[in-house]
Amino acid sequence: AQKITQTQPGMFVQEKEAVTLDCTYDTSDPSYGLFWYKQPSSGEMIFLIYQGSYDQQNATEGRYSLNFQKARKSANLVISASQLGDSAMYFCAMREVDTGANSKLTFGKGITLSVRP
Amino acid sequence: DVKVTQSSRYLVKRTGEKVFLECVQDMDHENMFWYRQDPGLGLRLIYFSYDVKMKEKGDIPEGYSVSREKKERFSLILESASTNQTSMYLCASSSGGDGTDTQYFGPGTRLTVL
Repeated sequence: AQKITQTQPGMFVQEKEAVTLDCTYDTSDPSYGLFWYKQPSSGEMIFLIYQGSYDQQNATEGRYSLNFQKARKSANLVISASQLGDSAMYFCAMREVDTGANSKLTFGKGITLSVRP
Repeated sequence: DVKVTQSSRYLVKRTGEKVFLECVQDMDHENMFWYRQDPGLGLRLIYFSYDVKMKEKGDIPEGYSVSREKKERFSLILESASTNQTSMYLCASSSGGDGTDTQYFGPGTRLTVL
């Protein structure tokens, strides 16, 4: 079974509007971390935001926020006030602490976001 | 800022050649990782290392080996390149220990095996 699921097809959003990118995960580990990365066409993976499983509040970083719903095992990325430079592929990833490999990440297959002017 | 560099952005090799992909990080990170990325498959972990001279297999180690002789450098080796190893290769590093332990990535190497 997939541990990280990103099922949305290519997403489109109008410039200056908000967009939500979906991510669901599967783990039996009580302690885990969730990450979002952005990959523009240049190829480099850029870290955006992190949410720990015990964090009480949803993570925010500038225009990025993470809508963390633990009971539903979802960690959706919300981008507010979209910009043309937000056009990229976005990956959700999970780190499970008790696997014996404390830094290992499992990635979803990614979602392509296109921002329209 | 963390900086992870990779020796080449684009590489073209022939089937059967031995290929070296080099990765260097400048933040004294304990952990280093090699992934390959293919369309529709996301990132898949090939090998990782938690310390100098230590290595562990990831999800798809077949056909690859690694070397970590110095803390800042992690090399991926394709002993005999094959066409199904044509891919984007991404190196990452992280500090290890407690906390978020965020992985930071290099710019990637697009390898084509003819």
